[in-house]
Amino acid sequence: EVLLVESGGDLVQPGGSLRLSCAASGFTFRTYEMNWVRQAPGKGLEWLSYISGSGTTIFYADSVKGRFTISRDNAENSLYLQMHSLRVEDTAVYYCARGLQGLIFDHWGQGTRVTVSS
Amino acid sequence: EIVLTQSPGTLSLSPGERATLSCWASQGVRGSQLAWYQQKPGQAPRLLIYGASSRATGIPDRFSGSGSGTDFTLTISRLEPEDFAVYYCQQYGSSPLVTFGGGTTVEIK
Repeated sequence: EVLLVESGGDLVQPGGSLRLSCAASGFTFRTYEMNWVRQAPGKGLEWLSYISGSGTTIFYADSVKGRFTISRDNAENSLYLQMHSLRVEDTAVYYCARGLQGLIFDHWGQGTRVTVSS
Repeated sequence: EIVLTQSPGTLSLSPGERATLSCWASQGVRGSQLAWYQQKPGQAPRLLIYGASSRATGIPDRFSGSGSGTDFTLTISRLEPEDFAVYYCQQYGSSPLVTFGGGTTVEIK
């Protein structure tokens, strides 16, 4: 069974930093592209970032480019999202999602909540 | 930049009825690279359809997708109680790389 478990969400002040993690199991992690997607309270879905299986190809949404960094550790079956310069509008549930053909999200974690507030 | 508009915003139907959800793209979606997701309250989204019309693994055949270019449709042939949820369309591969529609809520009438 494919399992994705996010962690690291927290309450952080504007301008602060946070690192999210996603532990993967039930599939050969290194062979799959991975993504981060978020959902602000009561809002729709917003894709944030993509990383290839090897980690050599990375894309970001304009809204987080230069502030967020995606990475992965295939030896640890883990995906990460380092977030800097957090803003109130970054408040959301953050999901990691496995990529089917890259940018189709066929499995999702349960999400981790990030709240940016003073 | 492709913008996806979903219609209607809310669909009120009874179990057993047919649901037709629309997703319009502001520009043509390359290669019918469009997916549909279902999301229930407090849960992560679930992939239903990709490539405009291919059902994801384990998705019942009452769910079907169609369309190309700028007009796409998700049809639920006979609503089951568990189908009442929010549905999102998503394009992938164009500019920007990924865009989601605003969602359609299918609620019990």
